[in-house]
Amino acid sequence: RKEVEQDPGPFNVPEGATVAFNCTYSNSASQSFFWYRQDCRKEPKLLMSVYSSGNEDGRFTAQLNRASQYISLLIRDSKLSDSATYLCVVSSGSARQLTFGSGTQLTVLP
Amino acid sequence: GAGVSQSPSNKVTEKGKDVELRCDPISGHTALYWYRQSLGQGLEFLIYFQGNSAPDKSGLPSDRFSAERTGGSVSTLTIQRTQQEDSAVYLCASSSFPQGTGNEKLFFGSGTQLSVL
Repeated sequence: RKEVEQDPGPFNVPEGATVAFNCTYSNSASQSFFWYRQDCRKEPKLLMSVYSSGNEDGRFTAQLNRASQYISLLIRDSKLSDSATYLCVVSSGSARQLTFGSGTQLTVLP
Repeated sequence: GAGVSQSPSNKVTEKGKDVELRCDPISGHTALYWYRQSLGQGLEFLIYFQGNSAPDKSGLPSDRFSAERTGGSVSTLTIQRTQQEDSAVYLCASSSFPQGTGNEKLFFGSGTQLSVL
């Protein structure tokens, strides 16, 4: 089983829709969690950290479910500019190494 | 510049040749990472430098790969006797916080596209 797994998609949604992605992780002792976005042929950029109590940043909400070992990202009122690949990142192990998921591709359609 | 700088942006080489990839992190960032990304895949960890500590080399795929970081700043990733399976985008990232703090926001360079013919 991969350390970090994501549904690769693609998710094709109309503008204004709400879309959610999940990311599961295998190490129950994982400590830190992040979402990055990567535009086509560009470098990844941090979207948001994921806190235990859940956190929101504008149209984006991130949640952590430790019991089921997954994190989620919810995007409300999708914009065309949200089209990208969303990468889940988990920090775990004695060295707290950062492990990236393979990403979920989102396309927001006009 | 204010961001992470990588060079060259593209490198085409012949199988069996050695290549050197360079990364210039954001000034003052003590943490530096190398990742590689194959087409349509996620990021594969290669190596992590933190200040003057011994690097975490656990992600290097073979002894053909090595990296160094001089003076706690610029880093070079060297691939000896390149193989076709080494073709990928090599990404460098830096952070002002060490790995494991929970605050490690990574800033990535735009990468080096390596093609081994």
